[in-house]
Amino acid sequence: GAVVSQHPSWVICKSGTSVKIECRSLDFQATTMFWYRQFPKQSLMLMATSNEGSKATYEQGVEKDKFLINHASLTLSTLTVTSAHPEDSSFYICSARGGPVTDTQYFGPGTRLTVL
Amino acid sequence: DQQVKQNSPSLSVQEGRISILNCDYTNSMFDYFLWYKKYPAEGPTFLISISSIKDKNEDGRFTVFLNKSAKHLSLHIVPSQPGDSAVYFCAASENSGYALNFGKGTSLLVTP
Repeated sequence: GAVVSQHPSWVICKSGTSVKIECRSLDFQATTMFWYRQFPKQSLMLMATSNEGSKATYEQGVEKDKFLINHASLTLSTLTVTSAHPEDSSFYICSARGGPVTDTQYFGPGTRLTVL
Repeated sequence: DQQVKQNSPSLSVQEGRISILNCDYTNSMFDYFLWYKKYPAEGPTFLISISSIKDKNEDGRFTVFLNKSAKHLSLHIVPSQPGDSAVYFCAASENSGYALNFGKGTSLLVTP
Protein backbone atom coordinates (compact mmCIF):
# COMPACT_ATOMS: atom_id res chain seq x y z
CA GLY A 1 0.00 0.00 0.00
CA ALA A 2 0.84 3.73 0.00
CA VAL A 3 1.19 4.40 -3.71
CA VAL A 4 1.36 7.96 -4.91
CA SER A 5 1.21 8.79 -8.59
CA GLN A 6 2.06 11.94 -10.51
CA HIS A 7 1.03 13.03 -13.96
CA PRO A 8 2.66 13.88 -16.23
CA SER A 9 6.05 12.31 -15.57
CA TRP A 10 7.71 14.87 -17.78
CA VAL A 11 6.63 17.98 -19.65
CA ILE A 12 8.28 20.46 -21.97
CA CYS A 13 6.62 23.81 -22.48
CA LYS A 14 7.28 27.23 -23.91
CA SER A 15 8.10 30.18 -21.72
CA GLY A 16 4.97 31.99 -20.60
CA THR A 17 2.65 29.00 -20.62
CA SER A 18 1.09 27.34 -17.60
CA VAL A 19 1.61 23.73 -16.62
CA LYS A 20 -0.54 21.62 -14.31
CA ILE A 21 0.87 18.64 -12.41
CA GLU A 22 -1.42 16.15 -10.69
CA CYS A 23 -0.62 14.16 -7.58
CA ARG A 24 -2.84 11.29 -6.51
CA SER A 25 -2.77 8.91 -3.56
CA LEU A 26 -4.02 5.67 -5.08
CA ASP A 27 -4.70 3.42 -2.12
CA PHE A 28 -5.09 5.71 0.86
CA GLN A 29 -6.67 9.00 1.77
CA ALA A 30 -4.10 11.71 2.16
CA THR A 31 -4.83 14.06 5.01
CA THR A 32 -2.03 16.30 3.87
CA MET A 33 -0.09 16.61 0.64
CA PHE A 34 3.23 18.33 0.09
CA TRP A 35 5.00 19.70 -2.96
CA TYR A 36 8.79 19.65 -3.26
CA ARG A 37 11.24 20.81 -5.86
CA GLN A 38 14.66 19.35 -6.51
CA PHE A 39 17.39 21.00 -8.57
CA PRO A 40 20.27 18.87 -9.88
CA LYS A 41 22.52 17.54 -7.13
CA GLN A 42 20.52 19.37 -4.49
CA SER A 43 18.24 18.17 -1.74
CA LEU A 44 14.48 18.26 -1.96
CA MET A 45 13.12 21.66 -0.98
CA LEU A 46 9.61 21.93 0.41
CA MET A 47 7.50 24.40 -1.56
CA ALA A 48 4.11 24.14 0.11
CA THR A 49 1.85 22.08 2.32
CA SER A 50 -1.79 21.55 1.49
CA ASN A 51 -4.72 20.11 3.39
CA GLU A 52 -7.87 19.03 1.64
CA GLY A 53 -10.38 21.83 1.34
CA SER A 54 -8.14 24.59 2.65
CA LYS A 55 -5.57 26.98 1.26
CA ALA A 56 -2.02 25.78 0.91
CA THR A 57 0.73 27.02 3.20
CA TYR A 58 3.75 28.17 1.23
CA GLU A 59 7.35 28.15 2.36
CA GLN A 60 9.27 31.38 2.50
CA GLY A 61 10.43 32.49 -0.91
CA VAL A 62 7.84 30.49 -2.84
CA GLU A 63 5.43 32.68 -4.81
CA LYS A 64 1.90 31.52 -4.17
CA ASP A 65 0.58 33.34 -7.25
CA LYS A 66 3.06 31.54 -9.44
CA PHE A 67 2.69 28.08 -7.95
CA LEU A 68 -1.03 27.50 -7.54
CA ILE A 69 -1.97 24.53 -5.42
CA ASN A 70 -5.41 22.99 -5.28
CA HIS A 71 -6.28 20.12 -2.96
CA ALA A 72 -9.79 19.29 -4.05
CA SER A 73 -10.12 15.86 -2.47
CA LEU A 74 -8.38 13.51 -0.08
CA THR A 75 -6.72 11.76 -2.99
CA LEU A 76 -5.85 14.58 -5.39
CA SER A 77 -3.70 17.68 -5.27
CA THR A 78 -2.62 19.76 -8.25
CA LEU A 79 0.27 22.16 -8.72
CA THR A 80 -0.02 24.70 -11.52
CA VAL A 81 3.10 26.56 -12.55
CA THR A 82 1.74 29.76 -14.06
CA SER A 83 3.62 31.73 -16.71
CA ALA A 84 6.51 29.33 -16.54
CA HIS A 85 10.03 30.56 -17.24
CA PRO A 86 13.27 28.63 -17.86
CA GLU A 87 14.34 29.11 -14.24
CA ASP A 88 11.26 27.11 -13.20
CA SER A 89 12.71 24.06 -14.92
CA SER A 90 13.15 21.49 -12.19
CA PHE A 91 12.03 18.15 -10.83
CA TYR A 92 8.75 18.54 -8.93
CA ILE A 93 7.79 15.85 -6.45
CA CYS A 94 4.66 15.51 -4.37
CA SER A 95 4.17 13.50 -1.22
CA ALA A 96 1.16 12.43 0.78
CA ARG A 97 0.65 11.75 4.45
CA GLY A 98 -1.94 9.29 5.74
CA GLY A 99 -0.59 5.98 4.55
CA PRO A 100 0.14 2.80 6.51
CA VAL A 101 3.04 4.12 8.56
CA THR A 102 1.87 6.94 10.77
CA ASP A 103 3.54 10.32 10.34
CA THR A 104 5.32 9.23 7.17
CA GLN A 105 5.23 10.96 3.82
CA TYR A 106 4.97 8.79 0.73
CA PHE A 107 6.37 10.29 -2.43
CA GLY A 108 5.23 10.29 -6.00
CA PRO A 109 7.63 9.49 -8.85
CA GLY A 110 8.16 13.14 -9.70
CA THR A 111 7.59 15.34 -12.75
CA ARG A 112 10.43 16.72 -14.83
CA LEU A 113 9.51 20.19 -16.08
CA THR A 114 11.57 21.81 -18.81
CA VAL A 115 10.67 25.33 -19.86
CA LEU A 116 12.15 26.46 -23.16
CA ASP B 1 20.19 27.28 6.00
CA GLN B 2 20.75 23.53 5.87
CA GLN B 3 19.33 22.05 9.07
CA VAL B 4 19.98 18.48 8.01
CA LYS B 5 23.45 17.61 6.80
CA GLN B 6 24.81 14.56 5.10
CA ASN B 7 28.50 15.28 4.91
CA SER B 8 29.48 12.31 2.79
CA PRO B 9 28.30 12.80 -0.79
CA SER B 10 29.24 9.26 -1.70
CA LEU B 11 30.08 5.89 -0.19
CA SER B 12 31.35 2.68 -1.77
CA VAL B 13 30.91 -0.66 -0.01
CA GLN B 14 31.55 -4.23 -0.99
CA GLU B 15 28.60 -6.59 -1.30
CA GLY B 16 27.89 -8.43 1.95
CA ARG B 17 29.54 -5.82 4.17
CA ILE B 18 27.88 -3.17 6.28
CA SER B 19 26.94 0.23 4.85
CA ILE B 20 26.79 3.08 7.33
CA LEU B 21 25.25 6.35 6.22
CA ASN B 22 25.46 9.31 8.54
CA CYS B 23 23.31 12.35 9.10
CA ASP B 24 23.62 15.34 11.42
CA TYR B 25 21.02 17.94 12.28
CA THR B 26 21.06 21.32 13.97
CA ASN B 27 17.45 21.86 15.03
CA SER B 28 16.84 20.45 18.50
CA MET B 29 13.08 20.67 17.88
CA PHE B 30 13.18 17.86 15.32
CA ASP B 31 11.29 14.89 16.72
CA TYR B 32 10.88 12.56 13.78
CA PHE B 33 13.53 11.28 11.41
CA LEU B 34 13.27 9.31 8.21
CA TRP B 35 15.50 7.72 5.62
CA TYR B 36 14.52 7.61 1.97
CA LYS B 37 16.13 5.85 -0.98
CA LYS B 38 16.06 7.54 -4.35
CA TYR B 39 16.96 6.62 -7.91
CA PRO B 40 17.57 9.31 -10.55
CA ALA B 41 14.40 10.85 -11.98
CA GLU B 42 12.23 9.02 -9.46
CA GLY B 43 10.56 10.04 -6.23
CA PRO B 44 12.08 9.00 -2.89
CA THR B 45 11.03 5.65 -1.45
CA PHE B 46 10.45 5.48 2.28
CA LEU B 47 12.83 3.09 4.04
CA ILE B 48 12.65 3.50 7.79
CA SER B 49 11.85 6.10 10.41
CA ILE B 50 12.50 6.78 14.05
CA SER B 51 10.82 8.93 16.65
CA SER B 52 12.87 11.00 19.05
CA ILE B 53 11.63 8.88 21.95
CA LYS B 54 13.63 5.95 20.63
CA ASP B 55 17.31 5.46 19.92
CA LYS B 56 17.05 2.50 17.57
CA ASN B 57 14.64 1.12 15.05
CA GLU B 58 15.18 -2.00 13.00
CA ASP B 59 13.47 -3.30 9.88
CA GLY B 60 15.06 -6.29 8.20
CA ARG B 61 18.48 -5.33 6.89
CA PHE B 62 17.96 -1.67 7.81
CA THR B 63 18.62 -0.20 11.24
CA VAL B 64 18.46 3.46 12.17
CA PHE B 65 20.26 4.76 15.24
CA LEU B 66 19.50 8.10 16.84
CA ASN B 67 21.83 9.96 19.19
CA LYS B 68 19.89 13.00 20.35
CA SER B 69 22.65 14.49 22.45
CA ALA B 70 24.95 14.50 19.44
CA LYS B 71 22.14 15.41 17.03
CA HIS B 72 23.23 12.53 14.87
CA LEU B 73 21.56 9.60 13.23
CA SER B 74 22.83 6.82 11.08
CA LEU B 75 21.44 4.17 8.78
CA HIS B 76 23.03 0.73 8.82
CA ILE B 77 22.44 -1.70 5.98
CA VAL B 78 23.56 -5.25 6.67
CA PRO B 79 24.38 -7.10 4.52
CA SER B 80 24.70 -4.64 1.66
CA GLN B 81 23.47 -5.78 -1.74
CA PRO B 82 24.12 -4.35 -5.22
CA GLY B 83 20.42 -3.42 -5.42
CA ASP B 84 20.97 -1.06 -2.50
CA SER B 85 22.98 1.23 -4.78
CA ALA B 86 21.08 4.52 -4.83
CA VAL B 87 21.04 7.95 -3.23
CA TYR B 88 19.95 7.93 0.40
CA PHE B 89 18.32 10.99 1.90
CA CYS B 90 18.01 11.71 5.57
CA ALA B 91 14.97 13.82 6.54
CA ALA B 92 13.71 15.36 9.77
CA SER B 93 10.62 17.19 10.95
CA GLU B 94 9.44 19.11 13.99
CA ASN B 95 5.88 17.85 14.06
CA SER B 96 6.08 14.13 13.47
CA GLY B 97 6.06 14.04 9.73
CA TYR B 98 5.11 17.52 8.64
CA ALA B 99 7.43 19.78 6.65
CA LEU B 100 10.34 17.46 6.05
CA ASN B 101 13.82 18.95 5.95
CA PHE B 102 16.09 16.92 3.71
CA GLY B 103 19.83 16.48 3.62
CA LYS B 104 21.63 16.61 0.29
CA GLY B 105 21.88 12.86 0.08
CA THR B 106 24.63 10.25 0.04
CA SER B 107 25.18 8.18 -3.06
CA LEU B 108 25.79 4.57 -2.06
CA LEU B 109 27.49 2.16 -4.44
CA VAL B 110 27.56 -1.50 -3.50
CA THR B 111 30.05 -3.41 -5.57
CA PRO B 112 29.95 -7.16 -6.18
